[in-house]
Amino acid sequence: DAKTTQPPSMDCAEGRAANLPCNHSTISGNEYVYWYRQIHSQGPQYIIHGLKNNETNEMASLIITEDRKSSTLILPHATLRDTAVYYCIVRVAYDKIIFGKGTRLHILP
Amino acid sequence: DVKVTQSSRYLVKRTGEKVFLECVQDMDHENMFWYRQDPGLGLRLIYFSYDVKMKEKGDIPEGYSVSREKKERFSLILESASTNQTSMYLCASGTDWVSYEQYFGPGTRLTVT
Repeated sequence: DAKTTQPPSMDCAEGRAANLPCNHSTISGNEYVYWYRQIHSQGPQYIIHGLKNNETNEMASLIITEDRKSSTLILPHATLRDTAVYYCIVRVAYDKIIFGKGTRLHILP
Repeated sequence: DVKVTQSSRYLVKRTGEKVFLECVQDMDHENMFWYRQDPGLGLRLIYFSYDVKMKEKGDIPEGYSVSREKKERFSLILESASTNQTSMYLCASGTDWVSYEQYFGPGTRLTVT
């Protein structure tokens, strides 16, 4: 079973920041939080990952709470092309990742 | 850019046929993976490989086998296809174990009739 909990769907207006939450209350100290997304009819795409500190790259920002029990992926200026299913993943073991059901993000024009 | 290619986007096979799904990556990655994706179930790991000729079972290996004779190529084999193996199959490759970033191919939608 996936170790994360995400809302099944969310809406965001185009041009606004999309904030996608994820709960991972049983995360272990050496486990990373990863985010992927899957646009319709494509394979999943890596977005960002982090351990303890907040992270930012050209696609998004990742905010991890101090107790590491939850995190938020932020897409700063959502566009219609960001419509996708977003997966929050915690690395279960040394050698595999379990994908949950994700959040379906709808960007509204 | 990393590129992961899969041999077919769409495939239709009959029950009992032996099916080969091929995956090739061009970034010299050590690790390669096969997943299937079904509505309501998300992505599930079938098999993975961390080196040539090495393989490990994932969460749902039953009914599948794999082959990795060359670093860049990872094949998924359905020995005797069944209708419950109708699914989207996704191949991925990745580099180091610490960051565990994975790059996915476009997927093969397999229908078994």
